[in-house]
Amino acid sequence: GENVEQHPSTLSVQEGDSAVIKCTYSDSASNYFPWYKQELGKRPQLIIDIRSNVGEKKDQRIAVTLNKTAKHFSLHITETQPEDSAVYFCAVTSGTYKYIFGTGTRLKVLA
Amino acid sequence: GAGVSQTPSNKVTEKGKYVELRCDPISGHTALYWYRQSLGQGPEFLIYFQGTGAADDSGLPNDRFFAVRPEGSVSTLKIQRTERGDSAVYLCASSLNSGTTGYTFGSGTRLTVV
Repeated sequence: GENVEQHPSTLSVQEGDSAVIKCTYSDSASNYFPWYKQELGKRPQLIIDIRSNVGEKKDQRIAVTLNKTAKHFSLHITETQPEDSAVYFCAVTSGTYKYIFGTGTRLKVLA
Repeated sequence: GAGVSQTPSNKVTEKGKYVELRCDPISGHTALYWYRQSLGQGPEFLIYFQGTGAADDSGLPNDRFFAVRPEGSVSTLKIQRTERGDSAVYLCASSLNSGTTGYTFGSGTRLTVV
């Protein structure tokens, strides 16, 4: 079955710096890659996603890049702010419904 | 409703007891999913409903777990003979149909088995 690895598990950055989180997957049939942000005690919220026919997608300070050949995709957050502090999860699906999630990255933005 | 609603938000139960967790999806969403999130982990798939039927229940850990969605809207996750290892946050999500992606999660039910 699909295996998703996410790195790093924790990440501390200074406010204003960039943060990058990377996920690798095993199933070459995977075709949809969402990223979720989860604040403490809250629900996971979709922040950006990318499909396998696209290499990069950007939404303001957040971007996702996908390398299908190498089977990895990354979340990039620029100009980080304290409110970006949360746990971020990547997910992968090769079907249309069943997500396999990474183990999460705890991002701390230091003011 | 405006979002996915889950009740109760917290449930403490004794080992061996039966519990029911409820999920009310976004109005009109035909696809509904249950995930389980243990501390420090990502959500793990349990079951997927398309309409009233369970299209995929391969993630249910054992036969103590069962879920229903009799009218194609509200769903109930049922756990019999609860064990301490069942303690986790149970998340429900819904989407317009299984062909749409990026589904919306509820706030979850934190289940604690003592």
